Amino acid sequence: DTGVSQNPRHKITKRGQNVTFRCDPISEHNRLYWYRQTLGQGPEFLTYFQNEAQLEKSRLLSDRFSAERPKGSFSTLEIQRTEQGDSAMYLCASSSQNLGVVNTEAFFGQGTRLTVV
Amino acid sequence: EDKVVQSPLSLVVHEGDTVTLNCSYEVTNFRSLLWYKQEKKAPTFLFMLTSSGIEKKSGRLSSILDKKELFSILNITATQTGDSAIYLCALSGGTSYGKLTFGQGTILTVHP
Repeated sequence: DTGVSQNPRHKITKRGQNVTFRCDPISEHNRLYWYRQTLGQGPEFLTYFQNEAQLEKSRLLSDRFSAERPKGSFSTLEIQRTEQGDSAMYLCASSSQNLGVVNTEAFFGQGTRLTVV
Repeated sequence: EDKVVQSPLSLVVHEGDTVTLNCSYEVTNFRSLLWYKQEKKAPTFLFMLTSSGIEKKSGRLSSILDKKELFSILNITATQTGDSAIYLCALSGGTSYGKLTFGQGTILTVHP
């Protein structure tokens, strides 16, 4: 499968615990995005990387959230001290963005559904 | 702040009907508007629109953008039960060169 891969697919955790999700983008894509989606809403932007550089973070993103893409390939999203309000689907997407090309579509993974109890 | 509003929020039709989904937006520096279909998990890409008045078509689906009136429509003709999904409109623009701003989505249900 050459699409965007996310692990795990489901995660149930107790409030206060830390969780980490992984995303493997399409191999030739240099951009990687994280979104969060709650029931009845469209995906909400969290952050994105160009290669290994984190270029933008949503100002809605709590300091309990951190994302890395150390070698410009896979990425991890960590949530520390989880709260019930963190329960959501966490979606990763990737795209190929080259100099001089303004618009390219992003391809999404299947998501990780987080439930905080 | 960029804004995307979709309507209707939900729609129930019978197979064979034609549907039109709407997406209006506000953005300071428009780059592109995208449509995605979301069935169970991952949104799947349908169309990307950058120019007004040029229809994009894929089978029974088509979409067009009006940059003057700031809206786009997604048409589905001869609907099938497999078209049942959430249809998401997303905007690329503003000061960010990375993020997409999504609308709430339209839930389409097609009955046999």
